Amino acid sequence: ETGVTQTPRHLVMGMTNKKSLKCEQHLGHNAMYWYKQSAKKPLELMFVYSLEERVENNSVPSRFSPECPNSSHLFLHLHTLQPEDSALYLCASSQERLVTEQYFGPGTRLTVT
Amino acid sequence: DAKTTQPTSMDCAEGRAANLPCNHSTISGNEYVYWYRQIHSQGPQYIIHGLKNNETNEMASLIITEDRKSSTLILPHATLRDTAVYYCIVRGSARQLTFGSGTQLTVLP
Repeated sequence: ETGVTQTPRHLVMGMTNKKSLKCEQHLGHNAMYWYKQSAKKPLELMFVYSLEERVENNSVPSRFSPECPNSSHLFLHLHTLQPEDSALYLCASSQERLVTEQYFGPGTRLTVT
Repeated sequence: DAKTTQPTSMDCAEGRAANLPCNHSTISGNEYVYWYRQIHSQGPQYIIHGLKNNETNEMASLIITEDRKSSTLILPHATLRDTAVYYCIVRGSARQLTFGSGTQLTVLP
């Protein structure tokens, strides 16, 4: 596997479910990001991890909980989501010193019913 | 970070050059111009970036005006696979990229 991978690619969950999104990067990067892309809206940055420490949290509701166990893996734990949380969730990575040259995964299309 | 303005959509004939403009009239001296694109149902892809000099790589060329208030991304020979939303982003010291609405480029056969 090369680049940035995300699993699952599609997820349908009920509002009472708990699920997790997984991201893995094979680029030797040390910064990772979660973005949300809702229909007809620009990408919104949710979380930034640098060297496995969370460095930014852009006022994201607590029903989204990130985890970065090492520099290659990033998770987004989901619980009691709302239908308006349905969106494409994108993971990206970069070298810490080149934070704007980010490499994105294909995304997880999440539908909350 | 400076705000950018891009046309909502553009068309380009296959094989011709696609010139995508971006206005960033409030750009400051230490802010770079970045271009990304997002093909439908995929994650964004980094294309190129620059500060004041023109830049070229295997994907595209970036032309920045002398006053740095605008720039143009050039895809020299557009193909159908270049159909995507193209984002112009200006960033200084902030850690994050701020994506706007971008330009939907449609390459026509």
